[in-house]
Amino acid sequence: EAQVTQNPRYLITVTGKKLTVTCSQNMNHEYMSWYRQDPGLGLRQIYYSMNVEVTDKGDVPEGYKVSRKEKRNFPLILESPSPNQTSLYFCASRGQGRILNTEAFFGQGTRLTVV
Amino acid sequence: KQEVTQIPAALSVPEGENLVLNCSFTDSAIYNLQWFRQDPGKGLTSLLLIQSSQREQTSGRLNASLDKSSGRSTLYIAASQPGDSATYLCAVQGAQKLVFGQGTRLTINP
Repeated sequence: EAQVTQNPRYLITVTGKKLTVTCSQNMNHEYMSWYRQDPGLGLRQIYYSMNVEVTDKGDVPEGYKVSRKEKRNFPLILESPSPNQTSLYFCASRGQGRILNTEAFFGQGTRLTVV
Repeated sequence: KQEVTQIPAALSVPEGENLVLNCSFTDSAIYNLQWFRQDPGKGLTSLLLIQSSQREQTSGRLNASLDKSSGRSTLYIAASQPGDSATYLCAVQGAQKLVFGQGTRLTINP
């Protein structure tokens, strides 16, 4: 089954404790991205990757890092989480990085709470 | 800067009614438009994808239209059912990202 898998689904952590949210897709997609969803603000892009070793900032990159060492994986790293990063996070992927009319697939989401 | 607006923000209708959800966007230079469904606290499920060159797409009881020149899309749901209750999001594909609307929270009453 074609899917985007995020782990963990739920996470409660303390301020300053580094964490990684993993994202993996099995569709051989080149393009992957991360979004956060907040009440009243909707979904906003954090980072995206057009292909392996190619990443770039989205609209709200501060406090986040990403890496793209393999095509299937695109982890989101919070080096020093703060309470304002409490949010619902989504990973997404679509086919070809530079072909922009393909369907986007989303993971199940990761509910992160930073206390 | 692309902005996407969805009206209404919330809608409650009795089971069996046909309904229309609206989406408008400010920049017509889009590659495609996608409608998603989101259940509370859950992920986004893709419902329909309309390419910029297309006028509409259909899947079962769902029909989505796109008028790129006027910056509008509608999602038509026929014969609504309680299981259709969810938040519906539209998103337009730009150069680097999808830009989302705030969504319409739909409640179908039995």
